[in-house]
Amino acid sequence: LAKTTQPISMDSYEGQEVNITCSHNNIATNDYITWYQQFPSQGPRFIIQGYKTKVTNEVASLFIPADRKSSTLSLPRVSLSDTAVYYCLVVLQAGTALIFGKGTTLSVSS
Amino acid sequence: NAGVTQTPKFRVLKTGQSMTLLCAQDMNHEYMYWYRQDPGMGLRLIHYSVGEGTTAKGEVPDGYNVSRLKKQNFLLGLESAAPSQTSVYFCASSTIRDSRNQPQHFGDGTRLSIL
Repeated sequence: LAKTTQPISMDSYEGQEVNITCSHNNIATNDYITWYQQFPSQGPRFIIQGYKTKVTNEVASLFIPADRKSSTLSLPRVSLSDTAVYYCLVVLQAGTALIFGKGTTLSVSS
Repeated sequence: NAGVTQTPKFRVLKTGQSMTLLCAQDMNHEYMYWYRQDPGMGLRLIHYSVGEGTTAKGEVPDGYNVSRLKKQNFLLGLESAAPSQTSVYFCASSTIRDSRNQPQHFGDGTRLSIL
């Protein structure tokens, strides 16, 4: 199974842009990159998913370079409510399970 | 729309007791999963199921059993609870589209303490 590596923690201030990078060196051709967000005492929540180049939704942007060995989750102008743990996963083909790592704990201060 | 519902939300057990955690989803999803989350460890997959009547082991299956008798339900059993199984347990479900796993939907968790 493809394994991901991301920073354990990051700190930011309100209004800043936050970029969290994830490494997935042995990603396979059919794999997709997916990010989840988890608030304390809640289950993880899907944020964004992509295969290559750039994907943007109302919450975040996901940048994937051509070699797809890494990806960057970008959160524009974070607020205190963005304080959470962010997980990067490589989603395999149907019929296989996902492996969550330890995630990145993002702390946003005022 | 309930999504994924976990029962119970909290439970305290004594070492050696048994119990079953219930997960129910109303989205007609094929896949269901059980995870445990411990401080500093992230989410670890215990067992999962790709369809009714099927189950498979995840990263940390020892000490747990599961059953998927109905498509909408996924049960996690502890036959003889141990303090090391004190954790927060999350259930999730997902579907398939274009031969690809779709994002998982999670329940709110079950907080289990084993004394």
